[in-house]
Amino acid sequence: AQTVTQSQPEMSVQEAETVTLSCTYDTSESDYYLFWYKQPPSRQMILVIRQEAYKQQNATENRFSVNFQKAAKSFSLKISDSQLGDAAMYFCAYRSSGTYKYIFGTGTRLKVLA
Amino acid sequence: EPEVTQTPSHQVTQMGQEVILRCVPISNHLYFYWYRQILGQKVEFLVSFYNNEISEKSEIFDDQFSVERPDGSNFTLKIRSTKLEDSAMYFCASSDRGSSYEQYFGPGTRLTVT
Repeated sequence: AQTVTQSQPEMSVQEAETVTLSCTYDTSESDYYLFWYKQPPSRQMILVIRQEAYKQQNATENRFSVNFQKAAKSFSLKISDSQLGDAAMYFCAYRSSGTYKYIFGTGTRLKVLA
Repeated sequence: EPEVTQTPSHQVTQMGQEVILRCVPISNHLYFYWYRQILGQKVEFLVSFYNNEISEKSEIFDDQFSVERPDGSNFTLKIRSTKLEDSAMYFCASSDRGSSYEQYFGPGTRLTVT
């Protein structure tokens, strides 16, 4: 069965600095999708970035980028120029191409210090 | 921007009672999902729904659970006879036919069973 592991329950970053959130996953599938979702306090999860496993190029969305290492089954999220609004719970999620369900990690709570 | 909405935000019920959690997915979406998150645990997939039938369900989604799209806008999760262990945050999500089937999440309903 597929699993997703986020080993950092909580991280802190100084405003304007860069932080990297870790995510590893386990799967025997070759075709899948990976996602990072952000959940601000008392708000819904919103998609930050996604990566298709067949794409070698790492996805980027403005200040957010990923380091996708398929062989190592690693999918870390880098947030550059951190802003106070980045403070949230961040979830890593996996979806096999043959299914609809997401498999989530336990989340990393990011604090941004002014 | 369109959002998934859920009502109520918090529901308290007594053990053995039936509850219905309501969701309004994004209007042009075709796929609908329920997830739950027990306090301190991972977000877990319950069920996916497409074309008026369940397309996938997890082992958690047993006979006490059912889903329905009673009209063109609502998507409901019914728990027939609630147990203490059903206390959790329940998230609804929806997606369109996009290539990565990105799921859009609602803010959740916190269900407390006493």
